[in-house]
Amino acid sequence: DAGITQSPRHKVTETGTPVTLRCHQTENHRYMYWYRQDPGHGLRLIHYSYGVKDTDKGEVSDGYSVSRSKTEDFLLTLESATSSQTSVYFCATARGGSNEKLFFGSGTQLSVL
Amino acid sequence: QQQVKQSPQSLIVQKGGIPIINCAYENTAFDYFPWYQQFPGKGPALLIAIRPDVSEKKEGRFTISFNKSAKQFSLHIMDSQPGDSATYFCAASVYNTDKLIFGTGTRLQVFP
Repeated sequence: DAGITQSPRHKVTETGTPVTLRCHQTENHRYMYWYRQDPGHGLRLIHYSYGVKDTDKGEVSDGYSVSRSKTEDFLLTLESATSSQTSVYFCATARGGSNEKLFFGSGTQLSVL
Repeated sequence: QQQVKQSPQSLIVQKGGIPIINCAYENTAFDYFPWYQQFPGKGPALLIAIRPDVSEKKEGRFTISFNKSAKQFSLHIMDSQPGDSATYFCAASVYNTDKLIFGTGTRLQVFP
């Protein structure tokens, strides 16, 4: 898992509450990504970061924000959780960008009731 | 169009068979095509990857075939084993961006 820790591993929350998921890496990789995985949709890119304080949107960024204040930490925030955001969230890192090997964490199962 | 279309959605083969998973794309700016393997409860892991300047790449029992003119690429698993049972994702990276776009996944089951 290339030293990637996602927390929490499981979370149940209520509609309308803010939620923050954390990804921590120990490999000093420059690039970090947040994906969500849903049946029939595969993995969809939410946001990614190419350095401290440098982030950009992915395919499904609406309702999500990210922050990266340190190389090792990449936070994903659901500003006001909705049931459609129930999903498995994966963090990934890469040394040199998307045309190199991505290392994935073990995922966070989020349920929004 | 930044999309990668993957088929089939699921695949069942017997041990020793050769499952084939197909992907197609439209964006000619894609320049890197990896395949990821995911076991239940785990994150995906890179299996094999190809760039568009070659038509085939083999790593052990896994082979990618790439057809640039047809904008298609496929994964072949030779002599498949029950331990190959997993979900497989194709993906594509757009040149000069940092985005990796995934297909919808294929669940492979290999029976003894």
